[in-house]
Amino acid sequence: DGGITQSPKYLFRKEGQNVTLSCEQNLNHDAMYWYRQDPGQGLRLIYYSQIVNDFQKGDIAEGYSVSREKKESFPLTVTSAQKNPTAFYLCASSAVALNTGELFFGEGSRLTVL
Amino acid sequence: AQTVTQSQPEMSVQEAETVTLSCTYDTSESNYYLFWYKQPPSRQMILVIRQEAYKQQNATENRFSVNFQKAAKSFSLKISDSQLGDTAMYFCAFMKHKYSGAGSYQLTFGKGTKLSVIP
Repeated sequence: DGGITQSPKYLFRKEGQNVTLSCEQNLNHDAMYWYRQDPGQGLRLIYYSQIVNDFQKGDIAEGYSVSREKKESFPLTVTSAQKNPTAFYLCASSAVALNTGELFFGEGSRLTVL
Repeated sequence: AQTVTQSQPEMSVQEAETVTLSCTYDTSESNYYLFWYKQPPSRQMILVIRQEAYKQQNATENRFSVNFQKAAKSFSLKISDSQLGDTAMYFCAFMKHKYSGAGSYQLTFGKGTKLSVIP
């Protein structure tokens, strides 16, 4: 089935460690996104990418990094510079050419810093 | 910058009744998209309904319909014949049109409304 796969679903990290969240899509979508979700805050955009080898910062990019080496993959690294990394992270993709604006989401990854 | 405001953090409705969730937004754009997304307890976000700003007709999807008031920058969601499976967080979201330049394709979300359907 077509869709977006995020892994791992749950991740624990010690302070000072970097961690990478995986996001893979087989929808042949051009654009991919990372959002952070905190209780009472809605979703906030971390990074997005519209084409391979190109990405832009969103509203809260500090302490995060991404890469887009393949169309289907958009991993997010939460670095030790991120002051409050405990959150729920959602990856999404969209078909730019269709011009519908609709995003398709993965099931999310919950990161807890111990 | 665009902002999206959902003024109702929590709402409840009896099964089979109708409920309306509010959303207002602020933008200087003339062409854009508006969305309602649903996030059930299982956490996967799914699209409920979509509206293009240049279309005057309100979008409908089965039991879900919107009241889009462009001049008032209001975009409310009506759920008719509420079902237990409608229990979820509902997010209103805004996206600039594809050809609006920088920031296109980025969704701006409201903080969400937690809807509980009571049997």
